[in-house]
Amino acid sequence: NAGVTQTPKFRVLKTGQSMTLLCAQDMNHEYMYWYRQDPGMGLRLIHYSVGEGTTAKGEVPDGYNVSRLKKQNFLLGLESAAPSQTSVYFCASMEGGLDTGELFFGEGSRLTVL
Amino acid sequence: GQNIDQPTEMTATEGAIVQINCTYQTSGFNGLFWYQQHAGEAPTFLSYNVLDGLEEKGRFSSFLSRSKGYSYLLLKELQMKDSASYLCAVMDSNYQLIWGAGTKLIIKP
Repeated sequence: NAGVTQTPKFRVLKTGQSMTLLCAQDMNHEYMYWYRQDPGMGLRLIHYSVGEGTTAKGEVPDGYNVSRLKKQNFLLGLESAAPSQTSVYFCASMEGGLDTGELFFGEGSRLTVL
Repeated sequence: GQNIDQPTEMTATEGAIVQINCTYQTSGFNGLFWYQQHAGEAPTFLSYNVLDGLEEKGRFSSFLSRSKGYSYLLLKELQMKDSASYLCAVMDSNYQLIWGAGTKLIIKP
């Protein structure tokens, strides 16, 4: 039982390049989230999904796109990377609504944009 | 705006007790969460409070006062492995989690 798996773990991009981060969970969770974490700041929600085929914007969605074609996968795309997108990205999943309390996080993906 | 405040850093001694405070101002309230995050790792769930009072779970306890917009995480019998960042998060009226910046706890022998 792997839980939440993110790939890649590390990536260096040049400004303007594109890439996709993959999040996969094997717990049959409905809810999935993408966060970014920067020094001195709290986790900030980029996009989230409440079920297969659905996505919604979070607090900082600009410059990112997402897709949830399969229940177990949640993809985060950067179409044209910028240095401001240098960050650690965390994917998380939850069984039901947020009132259940526990988010399960992936190990994180460290992205550097030069 | 919505705001979660917690101290940036705290230092405590192995075997002692430490209290990490969190104050919040959010649009609505649907629960407060504490997560632990070791350096370079993902956050892991510690506790969830939705009603006023103290919730105890082993060496860790979490307290909530909704009228004061205040919570604390109490760690007893501190161990070196408790060195980590502790994240406070509040679920607002839209069922979105608002996160504090985290408190880095340093444990000294």
